[in-house]
Amino acid sequence: QQQVKQSPQSLIVQKGGISIINCAYENTAFDYFPWYQQFPGKGPALLIAIRPDVSEKKEGRFTISFNKSAKQFSLHIMDSQPGDSATYFCAASRNNAGNMLTFGGGTRLMVKP
Amino acid sequence: DADVTQTPRNRITKTGKRIMLECSQTKGHDRMYWYRQDPGLGLRLIYYSFDVKDINKGEISDGYSVSRQAQAKFSLSLESAIPNQTALYFCATSDRLFLNEQFFGPGTRLTVL
Repeated sequence: QQQVKQSPQSLIVQKGGISIINCAYENTAFDYFPWYQQFPGKGPALLIAIRPDVSEKKEGRFTISFNKSAKQFSLHIMDSQPGDSATYFCAASRNNAGNMLTFGGGTRLMVKP
Repeated sequence: DADVTQTPRNRITKTGKRIMLECSQTKGHDRMYWYRQDPGLGLRLIYYSFDVKDINKGEISDGYSVSRQAQAKFSLSLESAIPNQTALYFCATSDRLFLNEQFFGPGTRLTVL
């Protein structure tokens, strides 16, 4: 049973468009929600993260929106670029469990020129 | 991340063979992790180690064992490989003071025939 569900599994966006990836979680004890970005042949790398005390966090073109009551969070990539083509993973962890990460299934994003 | 290295990068083996995947890090982190990545399932935790003498099972430890030879080295073994262990394997590290960010190696692609 996946505790963090991610959708869609794949996404194609035109250059300049907005990419949106959604995640839903079940465990209300989760208190840290990162997104990891993985390029082909590489390991995942932390992209951006949020804690549940805020509803939005923005870093450049990347924004996390967080809805605590719905137990959902999403990644928005504004002005998507071909260089953003990668696999994105949402994750969740809880401080009192050693901060172990539970990952979503991943979304393969392709940004077409 | 060049600070976390994995060997081999690719391996093809046969059912029943013993396989060892190795991970080394120069980040000075005390925590190390082994994950496997399968399409649609994201990354799932196999084993983790908070220091040399502290090794713990993760979500999917059956069929795997680990050894923490030193703070910088963490090896994953498949005692008798089976085809459903065909996957991409990642090693990761984190710092005990900054638990939430994990740094991943480049991965090992393992194929069991």
